[in-house]
Amino acid sequence: AQRVTQPEKLLSVFKGAPVELKCNYSYSGSPELFWYVQYSRQRLQLLLRHISRESIKGFTADLNKGETSFHLKKPFAQEEDSAMYYCALKEGSLSNFGNEKLTFGTGTRLTIIP
Amino acid sequence: GAGVSQSPSNKVTEKGKDVELRCDPISGHTALYWYRQSLGQGLEFLIYFQGNSAPDKSGLPSDRFSAERTGGSVSTLTIQRTQQEDSAVYLCASSSFGLAGLEDTQYFGPGTRLTVL
Repeated sequence: AQRVTQPEKLLSVFKGAPVELKCNYSYSGSPELFWYVQYSRQRLQLLLRHISRESIKGFTADLNKGETSFHLKKPFAQEEDSAMYYCALKEGSLSNFGNEKLTFGTGTRLTIIP
Repeated sequence: GAGVSQSPSNKVTEKGKDVELRCDPISGHTALYWYRQSLGQGLEFLIYFQGNSAPDKSGLPSDRFSAERTGGSVSTLTIQRTQQEDSAVYLCASSSFGLAGLEDTQYFGPGTRLTVL
């Protein structure tokens, strides 16, 4: 069965410092990986997905299949980045066509210190 | 347009009572998902709907949990004889994936916080 691990429950970073939120996964097939974010009093929303290879709000994440990791990075943290971040995996199997259920990690609460 | 909505936002019930949680997906979204977030846990998948059918119910934790979807739109998650371990935030998400074969984003509702006393 697939699993997503986010080893840090809490992470505090000073404003302007680099940020890295760790995510490791276990899955026998070829997964698709996502980062979701939940700001205070807002609903969960997609931040980025690995297949898009885009940068959102300065965040990037590279899928490393050798290390089975999908760490989220930002070179210079901003106060508005304080939020709960979830890494998620979707099975990449054609047998799941139509079903895009996600397996989530337990999340990392990021706090940016002014 | 309006996003995914859920009601009620909070529900407090006594152990043994039945509860119904409602999800209104984004109009036109054929795929609908229910997830649960228990204290200290990540979101866990419960059930997936494509239209009114539920081809994947693998995440429902027990037969006390059931869900239905009518008119390809509104979905109701029912928990019978609630237990304290059912206390959690129940999230609904919808997406347009399924018919066109195109990947699309899951849009989440605000959730229903269920507390079983």
